[in-house]
Amino acid sequence: QVPLVQSGAEVKKPGASVKVSCKASGYTFTGYYMHWVRQAPGQGLEWMGRMNPNSGGTNYAQKFQGRVTMTGDTSIGTAYMELSRLRSDDTAVYYCARAAGFSPNYYFDYWGRGTLVTVSS
Amino acid sequence: QSVLTQPPSVSGAPGQRVTISCTGSSSNIGAGYDVQWYQQLPGTAPKLLIHGDSNRPSGVPDRFSGSRSGTSASLAITGLQAEDEADYYCQSYDSSPNWVFGGGTKLTVL
Repeated sequence: QVPLVQSGAEVKKPGASVKVSCKASGYTFTGYYMHWVRQAPGQGLEWMGRMNPNSGGTNYAQKFQGRVTMTGDTSIGTAYMELSRLRSDDTAVYYCARAAGFSPNYYFDYWGRGTLVTVSS
Repeated sequence: QSVLTQPPSVSGAPGQRVTISCTGSSSNIGAGYDVQWYQQLPGTAPKLLIHGDSNRPSGVPDRFSGSRSGTSASLAITGLQAEDEADYYCQSYDSSPNWVFGGGTKLTVL
């Protein structure tokens, strides 16, 4: 059973924002960092950032600084990734991934099934 | 351009052994950070194959093995099977903080 369930596909216009959710189950949500990784069509994996569900602390890849916000709601065990000022090249599948191991040698042991975000006018 | 460099494609016949390389630098693999490998079947999320350079999670066949040397790492697959046809990604840590992936390698089973 996959312990990370993501929200459904989204279609957005350029300039809009999108918020993707990732509900965790079967483990202590606050015990593991949650990372977000995206994959553009036909392309490789790109790390976007991470969120500490325990403290709310975040680290973002430089490329997304100022456009991405990662948050969590510990009461319902859900992580969120919001990307603003969307462009057509933000069209991608967005994955949440649980980070296991010890910092900084994390490995992503569980992944959500992904959320397709399409940006089109 | 990915921080970690992988060959775009590799191929092999059933039963053969193939290796996939992952070349980094002194700020990631060369700095001693662990290397992970993921397998991504078409239309699915990545799956952890190897962590900590050479450790297999439970359920991953021992046909898959990982190693590292200097600023590079390798994934070896022995006894190639049709079901191994997939994309493979290496991953490590770089500075800033920043977790990085290779560009991916498409494995074709002939």
